[in-house]
Amino acid sequence: AQTVTQSQPEMSVQEAETVTLSCTYDTSESDYYLFWYKQPPSRQMILVIRQEAYKQQNATENRFSVNFQKAAKSFSLKISDSQLGDAAMYFCAYRRSWEYGNKLVFGAGTILRVKS
Amino acid sequence: SAVISQKPSRDICQRGTSLTIQCQVDSQVTMMFWYRQQPGQSLTLIATANQGSEATYESGFVIDKFPISRPNLTFSTLTVSNMSPEDSSIYLCSGTGITDTQYFGPGTRLTVL
Repeated sequence: AQTVTQSQPEMSVQEAETVTLSCTYDTSESDYYLFWYKQPPSRQMILVIRQEAYKQQNATENRFSVNFQKAAKSFSLKISDSQLGDAAMYFCAYRRSWEYGNKLVFGAGTILRVKS
Repeated sequence: SAVISQKPSRDICQRGTSLTIQCQVDSQVTMMFWYRQQPGQSLTLIATANQGSEATYESGFVIDKFPISRPNLTFSTLTVSNMSPEDSSIYLCSGTGITDTQYFGPGTRLTVL
């Protein structure tokens, strides 16, 4: 079974600085998808970024980028120029290729605190 | 992206009663899911809601406790039956559209006394 590990229960960053959240996963599949979701206190799960395993290029979305290391099974999220609105719980998630359904396996989450 | 709404947003219920949570998507989605999330914890998948057929449950979850309906491509319900305080949690629905990305509803916070 696939597992997702987030080893940092909590992280802090100063406003305008950069922070990296770690995620590792375990799978025997070669084709899969990885996601980072953000959950602010409002509870709404928001997709931050998505990476297809077959793509070598790291995904980026504005201030958010990933470092995808397929051989190491590592998928970290870098947040640049951190803002107060980035404070939230961040979940790393794994999904097998589409023919196995769209079930997501989530990590335990990392609470990100942003200091002004 | 798909916009997903849930009703109710929160409820406080008595032990032994049942609560039905509704999930509405603004566009057709191929798959819908129900998750449970304890406060401060990660999400655990309860089941996949299949249109016109019985839901597919994950290990540890059964139809008698969490009956699910999905009468069409944009609507699903989850019932939490014969509730106990251990069922106090946040329940989230999600849907996957043509972009293959999973979008989530805002969740329903359930407290069982």
